[in-house]
Amino acid sequence: DSGVTQTPKHLITATGQRVTLRCSPRSGDLSVYWYQQSLDQGLQFLIQYYNGEERAKGNILERFSAQQFPDLHSELNLSSLELGDSALYFCASSLGTGSNSPLHFGNGTRLTVT
Amino acid sequence: GQNIDQPTEMTATEGAIVQINCTYQTSGFNGLFWYQQHAGEAPTFLSYNVLDGLEEKGRFSSFLSRSKGYSYLLLKELQMKDSASYLCAVRDTDDYKLSFGAGTTVTVRA
Repeated sequence: DSGVTQTPKHLITATGQRVTLRCSPRSGDLSVYWYQQSLDQGLQFLIQYYNGEERAKGNILERFSAQQFPDLHSELNLSSLELGDSALYFCASSLGTGSNSPLHFGNGTRLTVT
Repeated sequence: GQNIDQPTEMTATEGAIVQINCTYQTSGFNGLFWYQQHAGEAPTFLSYNVLDGLEEKGRFSSFLSRSKGYSYLLLKELQMKDSASYLCAVRDTDDYKLSFGAGTTVTVRA
């Protein structure tokens, strides 16, 4: 158990809908990262927060947004969902942003858009 | 940006050794990580290299050459449970993100 908690584990929704994925980092970790993993692709970096502030942005669509709250949990909001958004969404946390801070991943949220 | 390359698949026999290579190109290097991921599960951290040389951790070792933009993960005394995808990831100095390669699927056969 990595200590990173993601909810829900599974989500099935229709195209055009909006969903929110939630992540609680390991105790003491200040950085939260979001990744998308599709069947035909590796882990694609979406966005990173450190202590409530956005630190780095990857190939995150404009339909997607995220935030990190004062208690350090994070939410990833996906709107106007398309079939291609179906994927495994991972949250990871690390102690800081230093080079030697490994990321610890949650078990992911499997999103299915029908 | 970063470009990370690793082989797509490798097969080896139980008890054998397998070496998974990773090459990368990055504007600024700030560490390389190896992760193991079983199908449908979360990636788990295996090793970290930031200086040139070999890091050994039980049956797993990881090597880094910064001048060559090259790393490898060595898996010894392979066990069936080692069948998984192995991900090479590089941290860039220009930003804080960790970028992953597409992964190498290792199949261990009896």
